Amino acid sequence: EPEVTQTPSHQVTQMGQEVILRCVPISNHLYFYWYRQILGQKVEFLVSFYNNEISEKSEIFDDQFSVERPDGSNFTLKIRSTKLEDSAMYFCASSGDRTNTGELFFGEGSRLTVL
Amino acid sequence: AQSVTQLGSHVSVSEGALVLLRCNYSSSVPPYLFWYVQYPNQGLQLLLKYTSAATLVKGINGFEAEFKKSETSFHLTKPSAHMSDAAEYFCAVIGGGGSYIPTFGRGTSLIVHP
Repeated sequence: EPEVTQTPSHQVTQMGQEVILRCVPISNHLYFYWYRQILGQKVEFLVSFYNNEISEKSEIFDDQFSVERPDGSNFTLKIRSTKLEDSAMYFCASSGDRTNTGELFFGEGSRLTVL
Repeated sequence: AQSVTQLGSHVSVSEGALVLLRCNYSSSVPPYLFWYVQYPNQGLQLLLKYTSAATLVKGINGFEAEFKKSETSFHLTKPSAHMSDAAEYFCAVIGGGGSYIPTFGRGTSLIVHP
């Protein structure tokens, strides 16, 4: 069964370092998303991506964050200069259509720990 | 604006007992509502969804949820818990503002005791 895969599963980094989280969405999907969950808090929307550009983003998604689809398969989230408060589980998701009636397919998540 | 509140970060039940996980939402338009489940070391997967058809929605693994507009609720239930139901459960809403991005709750961890 097709699935969304994320790497790494866990990354530990020093404050101020750049981090790239990688995702391989389901191959025929068109919409891609990043969410994050800080421990004990809500799953928060970061950004959605369609047709090679950002379609929506939240207030969390500031200039420190960027997304890219460098080739036909990968979808990456870059955090330029990590802060302690960026420590969270980051989830990638994809969908075949807009999600008013469909569903999101999630990866297993990448746990980021910033020291 | 849309939001979701899941009451109780942890719910503990005995095997065979009723499962009730609560979700209340706010939405500026008739909402679409979802429950996702996350088993250990896996991604979130869709359990069931409400998209303005029948108010009682049946999902996988014997779970169901009822949309109650008057109470702005979409609680998840299962008559008899199984050990394999132990997981994190997330309620989500799509509720207007021109966005089709689901807003999630904080999740409820279901613990099932033998």
